Amino acid sequence: NAGVTQTPKFQVLKTGQSMTLQCAQDMNHNSMYWYRQDPGMGLRLIYYSASEGTTDKGEVPNGYNVSRLNKREFSLRLESAAPSQTSVYFCASSELNRVAGEKLFFGSGTQLSVL
Amino acid sequence: AQSVAQPEDQVNVAEGNPLTVKCTYSVSGNPYLFWYVQYPNRGLQFLLKYITGDNLVKGSYGFEAEFNKSQTSFHLKKPSALVSDSALYFCAVRAGGGTYKYIFGTGTRLKVLA
Repeated sequence: NAGVTQTPKFQVLKTGQSMTLQCAQDMNHNSMYWYRQDPGMGLRLIYYSASEGTTDKGEVPNGYNVSRLNKREFSLRLESAAPSQTSVYFCASSELNRVAGEKLFFGSGTQLSVL
Repeated sequence: AQSVAQPEDQVNVAEGNPLTVKCTYSVSGNPYLFWYVQYPNRGLQFLLKYITGDNLVKGSYGFEAEFNKSQTSFHLKKPSALVSDSALYFCAVRAGGGTYKYIFGTGTRLKVLA
């Protein structure tokens, strides 16, 4: 029962470097999400994927790209990292069509520092 | 547009006293409302939700929340706080009717004092 798995757990980048955060869920959920958590700002939605084959911008999409590789996997890419992207990143999944069971399941997070 | 406000950055309460963590929301259409908790260095865990039905919903660890449509509020409550309830609490909303976005508030840190 792995749930939502994120890799890596920690990462340090230099300004301008690129990287991809990986996320996979094993609950057969249709919807997947990427959030960032910053002190005083709460959780902000970066991108989401309502279902396989679709992606949409959230509240703070600038500087990020996403790929919904298949139903299980949803990756987040930073093409040219900036210090403002230093944050903790959380992936989540949900099954909206099951009213009784609707809720977000979160991964354990990736702590990213951009120097 | 959806939005959530948690007006208190921190709430302090003595152990054994009742606690309330406030949340108000703005959304078009029917709101789907959620509370999540984050313990130190952990991911977020689901506490409870309101989708439809009874305005008072009960969740994990003795928490409950009351949906008030006229005040657009969904405050989290517990009759008797425990030191172990100390954590960061987030309120979230999704607009019913086809949107898939969950929008979160800024969080409220609950500190229960022994």
